[in-house]
Amino acid sequence: GAVVSQHPSRVICKSGTSVKIECRSLDFQATTMFWYRQFPKKSLMLMATSNEGSKATYEQGVEKDKFLINHASLTLSTLTVTSAHPEDSSFYICSARSAVANEKLFFGSGTQLSVL
Amino acid sequence: DQQVKQNSPSLSVQEGRISILNCDYTNSMFDYFLWYKKYPAEGPTFLISISSIKDKNEDGRFTVFLNKSAKHLSLHIVPSQPGDSAVYFCAALGGTYKYIFGTGTRLKVLA
Repeated sequence: GAVVSQHPSRVICKSGTSVKIECRSLDFQATTMFWYRQFPKKSLMLMATSNEGSKATYEQGVEKDKFLINHASLTLSTLTVTSAHPEDSSFYICSARSAVANEKLFFGSGTQLSVL
Repeated sequence: DQQVKQNSPSLSVQEGRISILNCDYTNSMFDYFLWYKKYPAEGPTFLISISSIKDKNEDGRFTVFLNKSAKHLSLHIVPSQPGDSAVYFCAALGGTYKYIFGTGTRLKVLA
């Protein structure tokens, strides 16, 4: 099946620093990538939708200046958490939709961000 | 406004028996539904899906039923195995290609 690689799997950083998370579709071209955030015992909350070569569409309540998304190619999207604070600590998951199998979402393995 | 709801946060089932996970939705524009399985600290993995033109889809031990009039879908796992213990999310897809996830049901299969 389609593989989505997400790195790093875990990151611990100091408050005020920026963290970049990469999401790559390894064996397919992803027309659209989605970034989710999951709080403990909560659902997956969609943060933003990114299409290759265009600006990301952010969900209501998500600060676009804080969560920078870049979708530079059909196989790579990055999420940068800028000036991270402890409340940004969460599990971030990316997913990609194949240009061929449109309905299925393929997920990365997630990134556990801990901001001290 | 939770458009996709999984009202049972947890479920325990004996090994070999049937597990039934339920999902309700409110938006009649949703036309594609998916079930994902998630282990702790991992990304969700796709299990099975169903289009709104069908009322049943089966894949091995997993069957998804869709009742459009009731806006309800369910995932049946039979026979349940200890390795099925995980959190299961249902997701709905509408015309905007925005996937809406339920809150998840934690399934525990007891050996």
